[in-house]
Amino acid sequence: DAGVIQSPRHEVTEMGQEVTLRCKPISGHNSLFWYRQTMMRGLELLIYFNNNVPIDDSGMPEDRFSAKMPNASFSTLKIQPSEPRDSAVYFCASNNPGSKNIQYFGAGTRLSVL
Amino acid sequence: SQKIEQNSEALNIQEGKTATLTCNYTNYSPAYLQWYRQDPGRGPVFLLLIRENEKEKRKERLKVTFDTTLKQSLFHITASQPADSATYLCALDNYGQNFVFGPGTRLSVLP
Repeated sequence: DAGVIQSPRHEVTEMGQEVTLRCKPISGHNSLFWYRQTMMRGLELLIYFNNNVPIDDSGMPEDRFSAKMPNASFSTLKIQPSEPRDSAVYFCASNNPGSKNIQYFGAGTRLSVL
Repeated sequence: SQKIEQNSEALNIQEGKTATLTCNYTNYSPAYLQWYRQDPGRGPVFLLLIRENEKEKRKERLKVTFDTTLKQSLFHITASQPADSATYLCALDNYGQNFVFGPGTRLSVLP
């Protein structure tokens, strides 16, 4: 298995632009998580889906952030409009409900908003 | 509010010694506690999981203890090697609800 696949690996954009991050979970996993990691705040859970349905989005910082999971093999995290304080590494993770919530992470997308 | 602390931001030890990392939490009743390793430029990788009713878990050179009374987990790496240098994160899980990561401890094993 290729593991969790995220794209792009790096994104540099200007303030005000729309940014879309993509994630393909491990096949057969039915939960998907989006995290943001910064030096100041560590690894924060933004939102998670179970069977493509958003279950908890309380970590989404504000309305500029949105996430979708149109099918079991694809999810997006969108920031519109982006701001410099959104600069961080964004991780996607998936898990199998039979695995005691062990999370399998992608390599992350490093976002820089100038 | 829930809070997770890991003993220090960085820990330096000599090769061959045992590294001990601490994870303390408050205002949480986890069913599971997990430890992950993160290398620079990569996502966290799962290492070990321990249940609330387990005291100790081992895997090769790794050992995890879990004390729900003290609200603390200790993570040990015996016979440490430079290849063990990484950031180690603890994570609390209550049956999929409120999955929370600690801030991490950056371990450096010096040759």
